[in-house]
Amino acid sequence: KAGVTQTPRYLIKTRGQQVTLSCSPISGHRSVSWYQQTPGQGLQFLFEYFSETQRNKGNFPGRFSGRQFSNSRSEMNVSTLELGDSALYLCASSSRQGASYNSPLHFGNGTRLTVT
Amino acid sequence: KNQVEQSPQSLIILEGKNCTLQCNYTVSPFSNLRWYKQDTGRGPVSLTIMTFSENTKSNGRYTATLDADTKQSSLHITASQLSDSASYICVVSGPQPNFGNEKLTFGTGTRLTIIP
Repeated sequence: KAGVTQTPRYLIKTRGQQVTLSCSPISGHRSVSWYQQTPGQGLQFLFEYFSETQRNKGNFPGRFSGRQFSNSRSEMNVSTLELGDSALYLCASSSRQGASYNSPLHFGNGTRLTVT
Repeated sequence: KNQVEQSPQSLIILEGKNCTLQCNYTVSPFSNLRWYKQDTGRGPVSLTIMTFSENTKSNGRYTATLDADTKQSSLHITASQLSDSASYICVVSGPQPNFGNEKLTFGTGTRLTIIP
């Protein structure tokens, strides 16, 4: 069974631009969640989508948005990029809504975004 | 405020030695606690998941313990190998009243380096 696939692996953008990251979950998984990882803050939850609906949201500004398609693939968009948005963006899939005990998270290898 | 604190921040040990990583949390109510291993440049991979009723769980050379009364967990690695060099992240889960799913609080991780 293929794992969670994130594209692209690396991205370099300029301040003020926008960026779209893509995540393909494990086949059959309907939940996709997104996380930002920086050396200082660790992993921080951005949002979760289940059956094309946003079910949960972290404390990030509105510049961060996402969506989920009918095939469960998800995209994350960041508009008006700032230097502080440089981070590793991880997505994770699970078979059920939320990160329940019986439905652990499976992470992709992330997209490394650098904003210059 | 829900918090997860890990110690030490970094650790260097010789190959073949044992080590123990610590995780203290203030998440309440508590649902489960997870340990993840994250290799450089890759996404986290689940090692163990424990509910409040479990005090120990093993996965090969990795053994996690949980004391729900003192809100402490530890991850013990036996006979370390070079491939154990990674960051180890403690994640505590608590139920979300609004959505019925779980909210994850992440520690910032312990960076473990095994030297030959």
